[in-house]
Amino acid sequence: DSGVTQTPKHLITATGQRVTLRCSPRSGDLSVYWYQQSLDQGLQFLIQYYNGEERAKGNILERFSAQQFPDLHSELNLSSLELGDSALYFCASSAGDPSYNEQFFGPGTRLTVL
Amino acid sequence: AQKITQTQPGMFVQEKEAVTLDCTYDTSDPSYGLFWYKQPSSGEMIFLIYQGSYDQQNATEGRYSLNFQKARKSANLVISASQLGDSAMYFCAMRLANQAGTALIFGKGTTLSVSS
Repeated sequence: DSGVTQTPKHLITATGQRVTLRCSPRSGDLSVYWYQQSLDQGLQFLIQYYNGEERAKGNILERFSAQQFPDLHSELNLSSLELGDSALYFCASSAGDPSYNEQFFGPGTRLTVL
Repeated sequence: AQKITQTQPGMFVQEKEAVTLDCTYDTSDPSYGLFWYKQPSSGEMIFLIYQGSYDQQNATEGRYSLNFQKARKSANLVISASQLGDSAMYFCAMRLANQAGTALIFGKGTTLSVSS
């Protein structure tokens, strides 16, 4: 158990809908990262938050947004869903100091868009 | 651009044998970190080992060791004495330590199958 929690574990929805994925980082970790894993794109970095502020952006679509709350949990919002958004979405956390090496991954949320 | 390449889509090994999973990386930054993660069929990502670009010695964690050859830009994972539970997808990843964000760039992965 990495200490990172993600809910829900599975999510099935229809095209055009909006969903919210939730992540609670390990106790004390200030940085939260969101990654998307799909068969065609592999594992891709989406966005990072550090202590409530957006720190870095990767290949995140404009239809997707995220935020990190004062209690450090984070939410990833996916809207106007398309079939191609079906993927495993991971949240990871780290202490935030670049010299601290590990990123700990949550169990992931498997999103299926029908 | 920064890139991680894993050229072996699949590897097969027998129990108790050693196996090497290849990883090459491309970056012009002098400061970076290299990681290996394991993803079993259940889907979770499990951190295995880390190597910093300035580390003089190869990293080791139990049965895992990282064969770091900086001049060749390779960071191969060596698993000694393979076990059935090692069957999984293995990802090599790189973090650019001198960027404001420290997100990971992943390779495409190698599927390891261990047989008895």
